[in-house]
Amino acid sequence: AQKITQTQPGMFVQEKEAVTLDCTYDTSDPSYGLFWYKQPSSGEMIFLIYQGSYDQQNATEGRYSLNFQKARKSANLVISASQLGDSAMYFCAMREGVGGFKTIFGAGTRLFVKA
Amino acid sequence: SQTIHQWPATLVQPVGSPLSLECTVEGTSNPNLYWYRQAAGRGLQLLFYSVGIGQISSEVPQNLSASRPQDRQFILSSKKLLLSDSGFYLCAWSVGDQDSSFGSGTRLTVV
Repeated sequence: AQKITQTQPGMFVQEKEAVTLDCTYDTSDPSYGLFWYKQPSSGEMIFLIYQGSYDQQNATEGRYSLNFQKARKSANLVISASQLGDSAMYFCAMREGVGGFKTIFGAGTRLFVKA
Repeated sequence: SQTIHQWPATLVQPVGSPLSLECTVEGTSNPNLYWYRQAAGRGLQLLFYSVGIGQISSEVPQNLSASRPQDRQFILSSKKLLLSDSGFYLCAWSVGDQDSSFGSGTRLTVV
């Protein structure tokens, strides 16, 4: 069965510093996709970054990068040069299978960026 | 480009009243559609998903039901709301491995 684990309920980071949000997953399917979403206080879910299980390189999107360690089944999100606007909930998610349609989410990590 | 519409944004309903939340997607065909619920301060829980018209899969037994009367329309319903149904409800779509997005959400308070 799918499982996504985010062990950090909250993280604090100083503005302009980098921060890593942890995510581990468990699946028996060799084909899967990993996602990170940001949820600000408004409630909307904002897609940040995607990593496919067969992708050879770690995904990057601007200040976001995904540290994908397949053998360890981890998909940590790295945010470089944190900004005050990065303060939000962050969710890791996984979708199994080619064209899979069930996305399972972790419990989330609340990030606080300090000025 | 694809867009997803979800309404209403907020809803206050008395216990025992019915519920109907609607979600529509534009700009794509045959999407997979989802309903998630998020309790206050918690993660997202997948409630229902649909891979086609009339095809509904339920993830969690509960007081809610879902229907997909058209390809790009997904409805979440309840005949009688419970206090425990309060939460933030998110509709989402996906096509293929990566393309997906969420609606803006409905904050439901059952009083």
